[in-house]
Amino acid sequence: NAGVTQTPKFQVLKTGQSMTLQCAQDMNHNSMYWYRQDPGMGLRLIYYSASEGTTDKGEVPNGYNVSRLNKREFSLRLESAAPSQTSVYFCASRGWLTEAFFGQGTRLTVV
Amino acid sequence: GQQVMQIPQYQHVQEGEDFTTYCNSSTTLSNIQWYKQRPGGHPVFLIQLVKSGEVKKQKRLTFQFGEAKKNSSLHITATQTTDVGTYFCAGRAGGTSYGKLTFGQGTILTVHP
Repeated sequence: NAGVTQTPKFQVLKTGQSMTLQCAQDMNHNSMYWYRQDPGMGLRLIYYSASEGTTDKGEVPNGYNVSRLNKREFSLRLESAAPSQTSVYFCASRGWLTEAFFGQGTRLTVV
Repeated sequence: GQQVMQIPQYQHVQEGEDFTTYCNSSTTLSNIQWYKQRPGGHPVFLIQLVKSGEVKKQKRLTFQFGEAKKNSSLHITATQTTDVGTYFCAGRAGGTSYGKLTFGQGTILTVHP
Protein backbone atom coordinates (compact mmCIF):
# COMPACT_ATOMS: atom_id res chain seq x y z
CA ASN A 1 0.00 0.00 0.00
CA ALA A 2 1.18 3.52 -0.78
CA GLY A 3 -0.48 5.04 2.31
CA VAL A 4 -0.71 8.83 1.96
CA THR A 5 0.70 10.36 -1.20
CA GLN A 6 1.35 14.07 -1.52
CA THR A 7 2.36 15.97 -4.62
CA PRO A 8 4.47 17.88 -5.33
CA LYS A 9 7.38 17.31 -2.93
CA PHE A 10 8.97 20.69 -3.59
CA GLN A 11 7.59 23.90 -5.04
CA VAL A 12 8.77 27.48 -5.48
CA LEU A 13 6.12 30.11 -6.14
CA LYS A 14 6.21 33.80 -6.78
CA THR A 15 4.09 36.04 -4.59
CA GLY A 16 0.56 36.16 -5.96
CA GLN A 17 0.72 32.86 -7.82
CA SER A 18 -1.75 30.11 -7.10
CA MET A 19 -1.28 26.39 -6.70
CA THR A 20 -2.98 23.26 -5.46
CA LEU A 21 -1.37 20.66 -3.25
CA GLN A 22 -2.73 17.20 -3.88
CA CYS A 23 -3.19 14.43 -1.33
CA ALA A 24 -4.54 10.93 -1.76
CA GLN A 25 -4.85 8.00 0.65
CA ASP A 26 -5.58 4.38 -0.10
CA MET A 27 -6.48 3.20 3.43
CA ASN A 28 -10.23 3.94 3.21
CA HIS A 29 -9.90 6.50 6.00
CA ASN A 30 -12.77 8.85 6.77
CA SER A 31 -10.77 11.79 8.12
CA MET A 32 -8.14 13.80 6.30
CA TYR A 33 -6.05 16.77 7.42
CA TRP A 34 -3.75 19.50 6.19
CA TYR A 35 -1.07 20.81 8.54
CA ARG A 36 1.72 23.28 8.11
CA GLN A 37 4.99 23.03 10.00
CA ASP A 38 7.19 26.02 10.74
CA PRO A 39 10.29 26.08 12.96
CA GLY A 40 9.28 26.27 16.62
CA MET A 41 5.56 26.20 15.78
CA GLY A 42 4.92 22.50 15.64
CA LEU A 43 2.14 21.18 13.42
CA ARG A 44 -0.67 23.65 12.96
CA LEU A 45 -3.97 22.47 11.54
CA ILE A 46 -5.10 24.37 8.45
CA TYR A 47 -8.26 22.48 7.47
CA TYR A 48 -9.64 19.05 8.07
CA SER A 49 -12.34 16.83 6.69
CA ALA A 50 -13.91 14.53 9.27
CA SER A 51 -15.69 12.58 6.57
CA GLU A 52 -16.39 12.70 2.87
CA GLY A 53 -18.48 15.75 2.03
CA THR A 54 -17.47 17.84 5.05
CA THR A 55 -14.64 20.28 5.65
CA ASP A 56 -13.85 22.46 8.67
CA LYS A 57 -11.38 25.18 9.51
CA GLY A 58 -8.46 24.47 11.76
CA GLU A 59 -6.21 26.91 13.61
CA VAL A 60 -4.73 28.75 10.59
CA PRO A 61 -7.18 28.63 7.63
CA ASN A 62 -6.68 32.16 6.25
CA GLY A 63 -5.29 32.19 2.72
CA TYR A 64 -6.22 28.57 2.03
CA ASN A 65 -9.11 26.62 0.60
CA VAL A 66 -9.70 22.88 0.53
CA SER A 67 -11.72 20.37 -1.43
CA ARG A 68 -12.63 16.86 -0.33
CA LEU A 69 -12.99 15.52 -3.86
CA ASN A 70 -13.97 12.01 -2.75
CA LYS A 71 -13.09 9.70 0.10
CA ARG A 72 -9.53 9.26 -1.18
CA GLU A 73 -8.53 12.79 -2.10
CA PHE A 74 -8.20 16.05 -0.17
CA SER A 75 -6.59 19.04 -1.88
CA LEU A 76 -5.28 22.31 -0.49
CA ARG A 77 -5.32 25.45 -2.62
CA LEU A 78 -3.40 28.66 -2.23
CA GLU A 79 -5.22 31.28 -4.31
CA SER A 80 -2.63 34.06 -4.00
CA ALA A 81 0.57 32.87 -2.39
CA ALA A 82 2.35 35.08 0.15
CA PRO A 83 5.86 34.74 1.64
CA SER A 84 4.21 33.98 5.02
CA GLN A 85 2.96 30.75 3.47
CA THR A 86 6.50 29.45 3.04
CA SER A 87 6.39 26.26 5.06
CA VAL A 88 6.36 22.49 4.99
CA TYR A 89 2.87 21.14 4.38
CA PHE A 90 1.75 17.72 5.54
CA CYS A 91 -1.36 15.86 4.60
CA ALA A 92 -2.60 13.14 6.95
CA SER A 93 -5.43 10.66 7.10
CA ARG A 94 -6.99 8.74 9.96
CA GLY A 95 -9.58 6.07 10.45
CA TRP A 96 -12.07 6.04 13.31
CA LEU A 97 -10.16 6.07 16.61
CA THR A 98 -6.91 5.08 14.88
CA GLU A 99 -3.61 6.83 14.40
CA ALA A 100 -2.87 9.42 11.74
CA PHE A 101 -0.73 8.52 8.76
CA PHE A 102 1.25 11.34 7.18
CA GLY A 103 2.44 11.98 3.68
CA GLN A 104 6.07 12.82 2.94
CA GLY A 105 5.41 16.57 2.98
CA THR A 106 5.57 19.41 0.47
CA ARG A 107 8.30 21.98 0.93
CA LEU A 108 6.88 25.25 -0.38
CA THR A 109 8.84 28.45 -0.80
CA VAL A 110 7.12 31.69 -1.78
CA VAL A 111 9.46 34.40 -3.04
CA GLY B 1 -10.84 26.27 21.01
CA GLN B 2 -8.85 23.29 22.12
CA GLN B 3 -5.18 23.96 22.80
CA VAL B 4 -2.44 21.43 23.38
CA MET B 5 0.73 22.76 25.00
CA GLN B 6 3.96 20.83 25.08
CA ILE B 7 7.13 21.47 27.09
CA PRO B 8 10.02 21.80 26.84
CA GLN B 9 10.44 23.07 23.29
CA TYR B 10 14.06 21.88 23.15
CA GLN B 11 16.04 19.32 25.14
CA HIS B 12 19.72 18.53 24.79
CA VAL B 13 20.99 15.44 26.60
CA GLN B 14 24.10 13.34 26.74
CA GLU B 15 23.69 9.82 25.48
CA GLY B 16 22.58 7.66 28.39
CA GLU B 17 20.65 10.40 30.18
CA ASP B 18 16.89 10.27 30.59
CA PHE B 19 14.43 12.55 28.80
CA THR B 20 10.85 13.60 29.52
CA THR B 21 8.39 15.71 27.54
CA TYR B 22 5.06 16.89 28.90
CA CYS B 23 1.77 17.61 27.17
CA ASN B 24 -1.16 19.61 28.58
CA SER B 25 -4.57 20.20 27.07
CA SER B 26 -7.01 23.00 27.82
CA THR B 27 -9.89 20.52 27.47
CA THR B 28 -10.53 16.91 28.42
CA LEU B 29 -9.31 14.55 25.74
CA SER B 30 -10.92 11.38 24.41
CA ASN B 31 -7.47 10.01 23.77
CA ILE B 32 -3.92 11.16 23.24
CA GLN B 33 -1.41 10.02 20.69
CA TRP B 34 2.36 10.41 20.50
CA TYR B 35 4.38 10.77 17.31
CA LYS B 36 8.06 10.98 16.45
CA GLN B 37 9.47 12.95 13.54
CA ARG B 38 13.05 12.31 12.47
CA PRO B 39 14.95 15.28 11.00
CA GLY B 40 13.75 15.85 7.43
CA GLY B 41 11.00 13.26 7.80
CA HIS B 42 7.32 13.12 8.55
CA PRO B 43 5.60 12.33 11.87
CA VAL B 44 5.24 8.65 12.61
CA PHE B 45 2.82 7.24 15.15
CA LEU B 46 4.24 5.79 18.37
CA ILE B 47 1.29 5.03 20.64
CA GLN B 48 -2.25 5.91 21.69
CA LEU B 49 -3.55 6.22 25.26
CA VAL B 50 -7.25 6.11 25.93
CA LYS B 51 -7.95 5.36 29.58
CA SER B 52 -7.60 7.71 32.52
CA GLY B 53 -4.30 7.02 34.35
CA GLU B 54 -3.11 4.66 31.62
CA VAL B 55 0.61 3.78 31.43
CA LYS B 56 2.16 2.04 28.45
CA LYS B 57 5.74 1.02 27.75
CA GLN B 58 7.65 0.44 24.55
CA LYS B 59 11.16 -0.75 25.42
CA ARG B 60 12.85 2.38 26.85
CA LEU B 61 9.81 4.62 26.28
CA THR B 62 7.11 5.08 28.95
CA PHE B 63 3.87 6.92 28.16
CA GLN B 64 1.38 8.16 30.75
CA PHE B 65 -2.11 9.64 30.48
CA GLY B 66 -3.27 11.76 33.39
CA GLU B 67 -6.17 10.90 35.65
CA ALA B 68 -8.17 13.89 34.40
CA LYS B 69 -7.30 13.05 30.76
CA LYS B 70 -5.89 16.54 30.25
CA ASN B 71 -2.17 15.80 30.42
CA SER B 72 0.32 13.22 29.30
CA SER B 73 4.03 12.53 29.36
CA LEU B 74 6.65 10.60 27.42
CA HIS B 75 9.76 9.43 29.25
CA ILE B 76 12.79 7.90 27.56
CA THR B 77 15.24 6.02 29.73
CA ALA B 78 18.93 6.00 28.81
CA THR B 79 18.67 7.94 25.55
CA GLN B 80 20.49 6.79 22.44
CA THR B 81 21.50 8.74 19.35
CA THR B 82 18.69 6.99 17.48
CA ASP B 83 16.20 8.83 19.72
CA VAL B 84 17.04 12.16 18.04
CA GLY B 85 14.00 13.90 16.57
CA THR B 86 10.89 15.86 17.45
CA TYR B 87 8.28 14.27 19.69
CA PHE B 88 4.68 15.42 19.34
CA CYS B 89 1.60 14.74 21.35
CA ALA B 90 -1.78 14.96 19.63
CA GLY B 91 -5.13 15.16 21.32
CA ARG B 92 -8.64 14.50 20.15
CA ALA B 93 -11.55 15.99 22.01
CA GLY B 94 -14.93 14.32 22.01
CA GLY B 95 -18.28 15.73 20.95
CA THR B 96 -18.72 17.65 17.74
CA SER B 97 -14.99 18.04 17.13
CA TYR B 98 -14.45 14.30 17.02
CA GLY B 99 -12.59 14.50 13.72
CA LYS B 100 -10.17 17.20 14.76
CA LEU B 101 -6.66 16.19 15.80
CA THR B 102 -4.65 18.95 17.49
CA PHE B 103 -0.89 18.68 17.89
CA GLY B 104 1.34 20.21 20.51
CA GLN B 105 4.32 22.31 19.45
CA GLY B 106 6.66 19.38 19.82
CA THR B 107 9.86 18.81 21.79
CA ILE B 108 13.06 18.70 19.76
CA LEU B 109 15.44 16.17 21.30
CA THR B 110 19.15 16.31 20.61
CA VAL B 111 21.37 13.50 21.93
CA HIS B 112 25.09 14.12 22.19
CA PRO B 113 27.26 10.99 21.92
